[in-house]
Amino acid sequence: AQSVTQLGSHVSVSEGALVLLRCNYSSSVPPYLFWYVQYPNQGLQLLLKYTSAATLVKGINGFEAEFKKSETSFHLTKPSAHMSDAAEYFCAVSDAGSARQLTFGSGTQLTVLP
Amino acid sequence: DTGVSQNPRHKITKRGQNVTFRCDPISEHNRLYWYRQTLGQGPEFLTYFQNEAQLEKSRLLSDRFSAERPKGSFSTLEIQRTEQGDSAMYLCASSLVRGNTGELFFGEGSRLTVL
Repeated sequence: AQSVTQLGSHVSVSEGALVLLRCNYSSSVPPYLFWYVQYPNQGLQLLLKYTSAATLVKGINGFEAEFKKSETSFHLTKPSAHMSDAAEYFCAVSDAGSARQLTFGSGTQLTVLP
Repeated sequence: DTGVSQNPRHKITKRGQNVTFRCDPISEHNRLYWYRQTLGQGPEFLTYFQNEAQLEKSRLLSDRFSAERPKGSFSTLEIQRTEQGDSAMYLCASSLVRGNTGELFFGEGSRLTVL
């Protein structure tokens, strides 16, 4: 069984500051890992994904994440926050073997302060 | 490519009524998923189809819930005898089987409010 833990349901940063959203996963098989963003009353948009290639993954809007197998982590970062980054962020894992359903974390609400 | 389309976007109903949601996936995608998202939580898997076959159902999908994908294109999710606990956002997603790296493409969701 797979699971995802997102530490911190709410994160606030100042505009221009570093964004760090934490994600730890549990999987008995090699995982695929994803970060999605959700704006109010909208669906989920893929930010980036790890599928066993490079461990440092770059995504859209300046976000990146690093897969660390020893720490079972896949934290999301952005060097400089923008007001438009305010949204909810979800980490998700799937079984690389079958690549079927995704299991999501409970999300982190990012607030960007002016 | 118009993306995944869901309707209605919002539905308000009284407890005990039946509701049906429709999802039109990206046209060449043969996998279709339904997820439920409650306030402050991440999406939870309900069921998925490969073409017209329903391959997996979550234990969250009670007997009051039924999903179909009759021709392997659009899908419907029906909830019978709605309860207040059914209030949630119902998300549809689609993907390809061949070359699938697990990425799902989501629609904007159908929000259900049961009074």
